[in-house]
Amino acid sequence: AQSVTQPDIHITVSEGASLELRCNYSYGATPYLFWYVQSPGQGLQLLLKYFSGDTLVQGIKGFEAEFKRSQSSFNLRKPSVHWSDAAEYFCAVGISGSARQLTFGSGTQLTVLP
Amino acid sequence: NAGVMQNPRHLVRRRGQEARLRCSPMKGHSHVYWYRQLPEEGLKFMVYLQKENIIDESGMPKERFSAEFPKEGPSILRIQQVVRGDSAAYFCASSRSGLGDEQFFGPGTRLTVL
Repeated sequence: AQSVTQPDIHITVSEGASLELRCNYSYGATPYLFWYVQSPGQGLQLLLKYFSGDTLVQGIKGFEAEFKRSQSSFNLRKPSVHWSDAAEYFCAVGISGSARQLTFGSGTQLTVLP
Repeated sequence: NAGVMQNPRHLVRRRGQEARLRCSPMKGHSHVYWYRQLPEEGLKFMVYLQKENIIDESGMPKERFSAEFPKEGPSILRIQQVVRGDSAAYFCASSRSGLGDEQFFGPGTRLTVL
């Protein structure tokens, strides 16, 4: 079965600093990969997704992620963090086949200091 | 175009009562997914439905939980004889079709069992 690991439970960065959130997955084939953001008390919003093709994916709000097959990773990056980016970030993997469930990591809570 | 709608947003039940959570997918979407988020955890897949059919219920507890997506009306997640451990946020997502389609999430229903 597939799994997703987000090794950083909590990350704190200063506003304007760069950000990288880590995500590693376990799956036998090339998965579909997603990053979602969740603000307190809200649902999840899709930041970006990778299905195939270019391994560097651009998303909304200035985020990007790079798929590295050799490292089974899909890390999320942003060159300059804004205070409004403070939220919880979830990496998720989807697999092919009849089941279309997403498997989520446990999330990384981002705090942004002024 | 309205997003995924869930109601109620907050639900309080006493142990032994029934909880009914409703989800109206986005217009044009015929695929619905239910996820559960326990405190401090990521989302866990519960069930995937299409109109009038349960496609994958591998994440559903074997007892007390059921889901439906009738031809007319919202999808319903039903929890009978609730226990304190059922307290969680329950999220519904919908997609147009296919694994490649993004799942759009609703704001969630936060269930508290007293």
